[in-house]
Parts: sequence; C-alpha cells; structure tokens
Amino acid sequence: QSVLTQPPSASGTPGQRVTISCSGSSSNIGTNYVYWYQKFPGTAPKLLIYRSDQRPSGVPDRFSGSKSGTSASLAISGLRSEDEADYYCAAWDDSRSGVVFGGGAHLTVL
Amino acid sequence: EVQLLESGGDLVQPGGSLRLSCAASGFTFGSCAMSWVRQAPGKGLEWVSGISGSGGSIYYADSVKGRFTVSRDNSKNTLYLQMNSLRAEDTAMYYCAKDMFNIGPDFDYWGQGTLVTVSS
Repeated sequence: QSVLTQPPSASGTPGQRVTISCSGSSSNIGTNYVYWYQKFPGTAPKLLIYRSDQRPSGVPDRFSGSKSGTSASLAISGLRSEDEADYYCAAWDDSRSGVVFGGGAHLTVL
Repeated sequence: EVQLLESGGDLVQPGGSLRLSCAASGFTFGSCAMSWVRQAPGKGLEWVSGISGSGGSIYYADSVKGRFTVSRDNSKNTLYLQMNSLRAEDTAMYYCAKDMFNIGPDFDYWGQGTLVTVSS
C-alpha cells in the first residue's frame, strides 16, 4: 500500500491528452512539492516534473504538472506511442521524514 | 557529463550482508545530497535512504531502518549502502540517485542500478 495513491493504469490514443492523478495527505503533497518520473522496463527512472510544475531541460512541454491541496496531476498532451511507460509521483513526507512514492500508473497508448 | 555507477549487487542468503557502492563523476559530489531508491520485481519504486552532501543529515525508510546504513566518502566521490540482516523482501534493483536540491524526491540523475537477490 503506497502512501501516495495513483490509478494503476491510464490510456489514450495518439494525439490525445491524458492525465494521471496522485493523491496524498497534509504531511506530503499538502505541504511539499510533487515530483513525477517516467520509467521504462529495464531502465532508470527519468525526472519529468520537479517542484510540482517545473520541467527539467530536455523534457518536452507536452508534459505538465499541477498541484492543488493534497492532490497532484501529470498531464500529457499530444500523446505519442513512445509515451507508453510507467509514471510515478513522489513527495517528501514530513511525518515519515522521508520520500514517499505513488504505486505507479502504467500508461498505454492505444 | 554526470555519471553514477552502482556496483556490489549479488545473490545473498537471508540474514546476510552486502555493501553497495555508487561511484559518481561529472559534478561536485560533496555539494550534492544523494539517495538510494529500489524497485522489487514487478513492484513500484521505493525510496530507501538519503544523505546530505556533508553526510550530516541521514534519513531511512522505515522498512530498512536499523538494518541498512548509508554513508559517503566525498574524497572518493562514492556513495555506499551497507545492508545487513537481509530479507527476501529486500530483493530489488537498487539505484543511486543525485538530488537537485536537498534530500528529497528531486532526483535529476540516476545510475543504471545494481541487482540484489536475497534467497537461500
């Protein structure tokens, strides 16, 4: 049972816009930044969004993040087949004094 | 170019010990917090431990507290994870990750991982 709650799966067709949610609590998302990672099987995770809505250089602007209260979302617009991957949210948790991850959402591009 | 290279993963029996290393290059290692993150087979990502650039601040996940010890040698640009009293549930790919800011999930660079298998 992950501290941050994500849907296990999401899907969309090429060109579509999809969103992946991440729900937490006042001790993590409610008071700290949210981070998003993309992970393909057999490779290391890649940082997509930091500080809730910032994109590292090199990440396409098709990817965007937002946060409201104790929830956050990752939006992917102009969906492409190469976006099919697992997506994880993460945040610092003040109660646990540590990092907590969501369980991950597998995105399927139909 | 930032590079993180983990090593030390192996097959170990339950109750055994293992030390992982992460050799860093391409950035000022001593100025950056570092973390270990693992992924068990078929499971999601799990943060294991984090350490500040000076080594003065250290945090652990509850699942490894009292069994694992994180450390760093800034003169050798190397991060370590000493793993004792290993359990089957510690079986995972272990990644070291560089923090952008403070200890926290702001991991901008990752190693390729090293596999730890705990089994008799």
